[in-house]
Amino acid sequence: EPEVTQTPSHQVTQMGQEVILRCVPISNHLYFYWYRQILGQKVEFLVSFYNNEISEKSEIFDDQFSVERPDGSNFTLKIRSTKLEDSAMYFCASTGPGAAGYTFGSGTRLTVV
Amino acid sequence: RKEVEQDPGPFNVPEGATVAFNCTYSNSASQSFFWYRQDCRKEPKLLMSVYSSGNEDGRFTAQLNRASQYISLLIRDSKLSDSATYLCVVNSDSWGKLQFGAGTQVVVTP
Repeated sequence: EPEVTQTPSHQVTQMGQEVILRCVPISNHLYFYWYRQILGQKVEFLVSFYNNEISEKSEIFDDQFSVERPDGSNFTLKIRSTKLEDSAMYFCASTGPGAAGYTFGSGTRLTVV
Repeated sequence: RKEVEQDPGPFNVPEGATVAFNCTYSNSASQSFFWYRQDCRKEPKLLMSVYSSGNEDGRFTAQLNRASQYISLLIRDSKLSDSATYLCVVNSDSWGKLQFGAGTQVVVTP
């Protein structure tokens, strides 16, 4: 079964540092997303990406966040200057025509210290 | 008002029993509805999409009531492996962002 792959599985970073979270969506999917889940809270939408541009973003996705699809397979989320409150599980997801719902990657647990 | 609301539970269910729970959504323009399952500290996994006519997948039955803006999930013959958090998920346009409920925890006991 096709998978969304995320790396790393766990990232510890110091406050103020930049982090890049990586995702490889399912190959024939066209729509890509980042979500986050703070421990004990619900899954929250960050950003959606289609046709090489952001199609929608939430209030959480401020100037510190950016996304990129640098080649035909990777989809990255960059946080420029991490804050303690950025500590969360970050999930990448993808979907496309013919897909049964949205497929999520196994997540990157980001811990900001 | 929360966009997607769920009873957090936990629902403690004896093995073999039936459990059912609902989710309400606030946006009447919502188009697609899903139940996802999430195990502790894992990613959400699609359990089933929910269609207007209601649909069944093995022991799982989902219903959609657009007039009252709720969806439901029923699990028959519960297994220990059904223990998880069940996420109600809604979106308002094709390929658009998903809005998640906070989840309903189900604990199946021997």
